[in-house]
Amino acid sequence: GAVVSQHPSRVICKSGTSVKIECRSLDFQATTMFWYRQFPKQSLMLMATSNEGSKATYEQGVEKDKFLINHASLTLSTLTVTSAHPEDSSFYICSARALGRDTIYFGEGSWLTVV
Amino acid sequence: DAKTTQPPSMDCAEGRAANLPCNHSTISGNEYVYWYRQIHSQGPQYIIHGLKNNETNEMASLIITEDRKSSTLILPHATLRDTAVYYCIVRVGEAAGNKLTFGGGTRVLVKP
Repeated sequence: GAVVSQHPSRVICKSGTSVKIECRSLDFQATTMFWYRQFPKQSLMLMATSNEGSKATYEQGVEKDKFLINHASLTLSTLTVTSAHPEDSSFYICSARALGRDTIYFGEGSWLTVV
Repeated sequence: DAKTTQPPSMDCAEGRAANLPCNHSTISGNEYVYWYRQIHSQGPQYIIHGLKNNETNEMASLIITEDRKSSTLILPHATLRDTAVYYCIVRVGEAAGNKLTFGGGTRVLVKP
C-alpha cells in the first residue's frame, strides 16, 4: 500500500515557540493532504485540507494563523503550530490522497507536547 | 455528509470471525463506505472500501446491504493484533475535497 511518513514522531517544545511537523508521501504523488488532531480517547478531528500549490482550507473553529499549513510539492505538506501552548498538546496526523486514486492513506502521527 | 452509527465497543474471541456493523441510512448514491482502523497511538490504517457490491481483500470483507443503508465489516479470523478502534466512514463527494470525517468508531477488543 501507499506510504505516508510523518516527522518528527514525537516532539516536546516550550510554550510560546513554534514547531513544524512534516508529512511526506513516499511512493506516490499526493494532490490533496489532510491534517487531523486527536486528543486522548477521542476521535480524529479534521483541521484542514491542503492542495498542492494553493492555500489550505480550514475547518470551522481552526485558527489558520496558528496552524500554518504549506503544501509546497506533490509529496510534502507541513503543519506549523505557532506560539504553541500546553492546550495544543495533541496527536497530529496527516493523510494524503494519491493522484487519480480514491483511497486516502494516513501517516503514523506526531505527538506534540508543549511544556 | 452521511453520518454513520457504530456500536461503541465489542469483544470478540481470537480465531473467530468478527462482524462489525455500521448504519449509514442517509448515504447518497455516489458515496462510498470506507473502513479504517486505528491501533493505539498510531495513524489510521486503511482496510477496505466499497460502493454497493461486496468487497474482499487480504484483511477483511465488506458486506453492503442492497439498500446501502448499512454495512458489515468482517474480520474472518480475528487475532490479538486486530484489537483497535474501527471506523466506518462515508466519504463526502468531490465538491468537498474527498475528506474523511471520523465518528466515534467501534473499540474492538480481541480476547484470547
